[in-house]
Amino acid sequence: GAVVSQHPSRVICKSGTSVKIECRSLDFQATTMFWYRQFPKQSLMLMATSNEGSKATYEQGVEKDKFLINHASLTLSTLTVTSAHPEDSSFYICSARGSGVFGPGTRLTVL
Amino acid sequence: AQSVTQPDIHITVSEGASLELRCNYSYGATPYLFWYVQSPGQGLQLLLKYFSGDTLVQGIKGFEAEFKRSQSSFNLRKPSVHWSDAAEYFCAVGAGSYNTDKLIFGTGTRLQVFP
Repeated sequence: GAVVSQHPSRVICKSGTSVKIECRSLDFQATTMFWYRQFPKQSLMLMATSNEGSKATYEQGVEKDKFLINHASLTLSTLTVTSAHPEDSSFYICSARGSGVFGPGTRLTVL
Repeated sequence: AQSVTQPDIHITVSEGASLELRCNYSYGATPYLFWYVQSPGQGLQLLLKYFSGDTLVQGIKGFEAEFKRSQSSFNLRKPSVHWSDAAEYFCAVGAGSYNTDKLIFGTGTRLQVFP
């Protein structure tokens, strides 16, 4: 079946630094991927839609300049949290369109 | 607007007992419905999904769910719960033009299993 991977699984960084998270479709091509965020003890909220070869689309309230998305190939989408702050600490998880499958998630902690 | 409601925040059952987790949705068209399970600190695992056809859907780990359009519900069931089923369960509806676009999740139900 479809497999989606994420890297890293966990990252701790200092406030003000940028963090890149990768989402890969391992055995299929994904022209569209989705990025979700999950705060502790809460549900998942869609942040943005990543489209291969074009600009990402962001959900209302998500800062596109803070959460940079690049979908450079049919199997890789990256999410960069720029100038991260403690309130950005969260669980970031991606999925690939058409699969219903999610990656294992990335736990970001900003000190 | 599309939405998903999971009325039960926390459910506790004894091992071997039957289980039903409730899910109600609000969606104008034919919904694409999903149930996911999440263990602490882990990602989401797809248990089952409904797109069309038979309204009783079989999933992995012995779970099943029944789509009832008249009640706007998609409840998850398992006849006999195992201790390893303890986790957070999320119901979701696909709200985009494609079946797995833009999943809208419910708030989740935490399942606790006592021996």
